[in-house]
Amino acid sequence: IAGITQAPTSQILAAGRRMTLRCTQDMRHNAMYWYRQDLGLGLRLIHYSNTAGTTGKGEVPDGYSVSRANTDDFPLTLASAVPSQTSVYFCASSDSKGTGANVLTFGAGSRLTVL
Amino acid sequence: GQNIDQPTEMTATEGAIVQINCTYQTSGFNGLFWYQQHAGEAPTFLSYNVLDGLEEKGRFSSFLSRSKGYSYLLLKELQMKDSASYLCAVSDSNYQLIWGAGTKLIIKP
Repeated sequence: IAGITQAPTSQILAAGRRMTLRCTQDMRHNAMYWYRQDLGLGLRLIHYSNTAGTTGKGEVPDGYSVSRANTDDFPLTLASAVPSQTSVYFCASSDSKGTGANVLTFGAGSRLTVL
Repeated sequence: GQNIDQPTEMTATEGAIVQINCTYQTSGFNGLFWYQQHAGEAPTFLSYNVLDGLEEKGRFSSFLSRSKGYSYLLLKELQMKDSASYLCAVSDSNYQLIWGAGTKLIIKP
């Protein structure tokens, strides 16, 4: 089934540990995104990549890093997790053509708890 | 600053009609999106408006007024499966999406 696969689905992590959330898409979309979703807040963009080999910072990039070595994969790394990074993380992709009609396809999400 | 406002929660009855409003203030405008998100699941695309007026898609319709910074999502013939959160998002001048916090819609029998 075409779409986005995220792993892990859920994770409990001790503060200070390093964690990588994986994201793979099979739609050959050029653009990919990482969002976090917290209760009472809208989705907030962490990092994005318009095409393989390039990345950019979103609204809340601090404490996170990404890489885009190829079209399909866009991992998100927390170098040293803190409790404020407890959230649900969504990876998304789009066949961006630089227009406003940029429909996102989302993965199922990764629920991360940092203790 | 950029801001998207939508009601936190709404309740409606099965079979009825409900209108979910969204107002926005953004730096530039390149379209407005509505997404549906069931609890514990990913958001899924519902509609996109870039010109003023009403776009109808089955039981769902979306309206846009750019001069008023206003949109609404209209759901007709409500079904229990329509219980979900509805997210409003605006594409700004840099084509970045600004998201509202979402409206949780509760459908009662």
